[in-house]
Amino acid sequence: GDSVTQMEGPVTLSEEAFLTINCTYTATGYPSLFWYVQYPGEGLQLLLKATKADDKGSNKGFEATYRKETTSFHLEKGSVQVSDSAVYFCALMRYSTLTFGKGTMLLVSP
Amino acid sequence: EADIYQTPRYLVIGTGKKITLECSQTMGHDKMYWYQQDPGMELHLIHYSYGVNSTEKGDLSSESTVSRIRTEHFPLTLESARPSHTSQYLCASSVVGDEQYFGPGTRLTVT
Repeated sequence: GDSVTQMEGPVTLSEEAFLTINCTYTATGYPSLFWYVQYPGEGLQLLLKATKADDKGSNKGFEATYRKETTSFHLEKGSVQVSDSAVYFCALMRYSTLTFGKGTMLLVSP
Repeated sequence: EADIYQTPRYLVIGTGKKITLECSQTMGHDKMYWYQQDPGMELHLIHYSYGVNSTEKGDLSSESTVSRIRTEHFPLTLESARPSHTSQYLCASSVVGDEQYFGPGTRLTVT
């Protein structure tokens, strides 16, 4: 079946550091890929998405590229802020059903 | 900005009580979902609906039940709450084939 694997956290960074959160997936066909973010005490918000191979999703300085050859969708940001502290979920979608990774907590200190 | 609402946001209730968690969306989405989020953050799909009068069980077995009498409303009911039901419950909705929009969640504690 479909599955998503993302790096375990917490990831602890200083402000302005470079961020990478790794995400790989297993699925048949051509799923759409997503990154969702969950701030403390809130629900999930869509951060970015990509619907086909080589697409790059971007939002709020975050980027991820759909790599079919490596079945990956790594999340990157060039300079993180304290306000980016949250839990990040990688997900794939087929037939309107989302399969989530287990989430990666990011902690950014001043 | 997605318009999906959940009430209550927090609920503390005793064992054996019946509870209903409310979820409403104003976007006219056909598909709606309930997820259970455990303390380790992992999300589990427990119910979903393709439209009015359609409900399906998700990947994680749950003692809860759902109904979909109106497009905008997808309540979740626990007939007899137990401490093992303590969790965060997230509701979401989507247009078929598009991304899901999530509500703020209900944090349930059963004592």
